[in-house]
Amino acid sequence: GENVEQHPSTLSVQEGDSAVIKCTYSDSASNYFPWYKQELGKGPQLIIDIRSNVGEKKDQRIAVTLNKTAKHFSLHITETQPEDSAVYFCAASNANAGNMLTFGGGTRLMVKP
Amino acid sequence: IAGITQAPTSQILAAGRRMTLRCTQDMRHNAMYWYRQDLGLGLRLIHYSNTAGTTGKGEVPDGYSVSRANTDDFPLTLASAVPSQTSVYFCASSEFPSVAYEQFFGPGTRLTVL
Repeated sequence: GENVEQHPSTLSVQEGDSAVIKCTYSDSASNYFPWYKQELGKGPQLIIDIRSNVGEKKDQRIAVTLNKTAKHFSLHITETQPEDSAVYFCAASNANAGNMLTFGGGTRLMVKP
Repeated sequence: IAGITQAPTSQILAAGRRMTLRCTQDMRHNAMYWYRQDLGLGLRLIHYSNTAGTTGKGEVPDGYSVSRANTDDFPLTLASAVPSQTSVYFCASSEFPSVAYEQFFGPGTRLTVL
């Protein structure tokens, strides 16, 4: 089955700096890669996703890049703000074989004012 | 629109007891999922249902059962709880099949088995 590794497990940045979180996956059939943000005491919420026919996607301060050959994808947050502090999860699935996500272990991002 | 609701919010349970976690969605999504989240780990899929009347096993199904009698409800049952089932449980739903793969998550149920 799919295995998703996520690094780093914790990340501390100064407000205004950029943050990068990296994930690798094992199943070459995976074609859907979402990123979720989880705030304390809440369920995960989708912030951005990318499909395998695209190499990069951007939404305001958030961008995701995908390298299918190397089987890795990354989340980039620019101009970080204190409200970006949360746990971020990457995930992967083969959407053609059912929409079952395999999650990475999570990254706790702390943005210091 | 409520989205996904879960009940109870939290529960302390004695080992050996039976427990059903409830999940209801009002988005008319075909697919529903149950995950558990343990400290320091990501979410792991327990069971899923692609449509009413069907269910399937995820990564960690042992000790859990599910049913999907209708589109809106997807209860998760622990037949005889054990301490290793202490976790936070999240229910999720998505359209299936669809070009939109987003899974929407509920607020979670924190379960402690003593």
